[in-house]
Amino acid sequence: AQKITQTQPGMFVQEKEAVTLDCTYDTSDPSYGLFWYKQPSSGEMIFLIYQGSYDQQNATEGRYSLNFQKARKSANLVISASQLGDSAMYFCAMREGQRGNYQLIWGAGTKLIIKP
Amino acid sequence: SQTIHQWPATLVQPVGSPLSLECTVEGTSNPNLYWYRQAAGRGLQLLFYSVGIGQISSEVPQNLSASRPQDRQFILSSKKLLLSDSGFYLCAWSPLLAGGKDTQYFGPGTRLTVL
Repeated sequence: AQKITQTQPGMFVQEKEAVTLDCTYDTSDPSYGLFWYKQPSSGEMIFLIYQGSYDQQNATEGRYSLNFQKARKSANLVISASQLGDSAMYFCAMREGQRGNYQLIWGAGTKLIIKP
Repeated sequence: SQTIHQWPATLVQPVGSPLSLECTVEGTSNPNLYWYRQAAGRGLQLLFYSVGIGQISSEVPQNLSASRPQDRQFILSSKKLLLSDSGFYLCAWSPLLAGGKDTQYFGPGTRLTVL
């Protein structure tokens, strides 16, 4: 079974609208971390936001927020007021367990295109 | 601030030729270092990681190898490239922080084409 599922292979969104990118995960470990990365066409993987399994509040970083629904095993990325520069691939990733486990499990990604 | 460099940016190599990709990190000490490969349109596959000089862990058996001759230098090598080695290679580092966040930060990548 897929450990990280991103169900939207591609999305078109009008500039200035909010965007929600879906990510569901599967783990039986009570301790885990969830990450979102952005990969523009240049290829560099840019870290956006992190959510720990024990964090009480949803993570926020500027225009990015993470809608963390632990019971549903969902960690959707929300981008407010989208901009043309937000067009990129977006990847959700998970690390299971305590420190010392360096393996990140990656989703297949969502290609986001912002229309002017 | 920390920066991570990779070179070369692009590389076209014939099948059977050797490979050496280099990654260096500035502005931090004792980082964890990682090599990933990304096939076109896919997610990342972890190839190697290192928690210190000379300490390399391999995640996927293949004809690639990694070395860490210095604290902030990570090298990916092959003696004989295969067609299947084509892809986008990303180096990443993570700090030794308490709390388990261990966010990984990526370099600009090397696009390798094996012909």
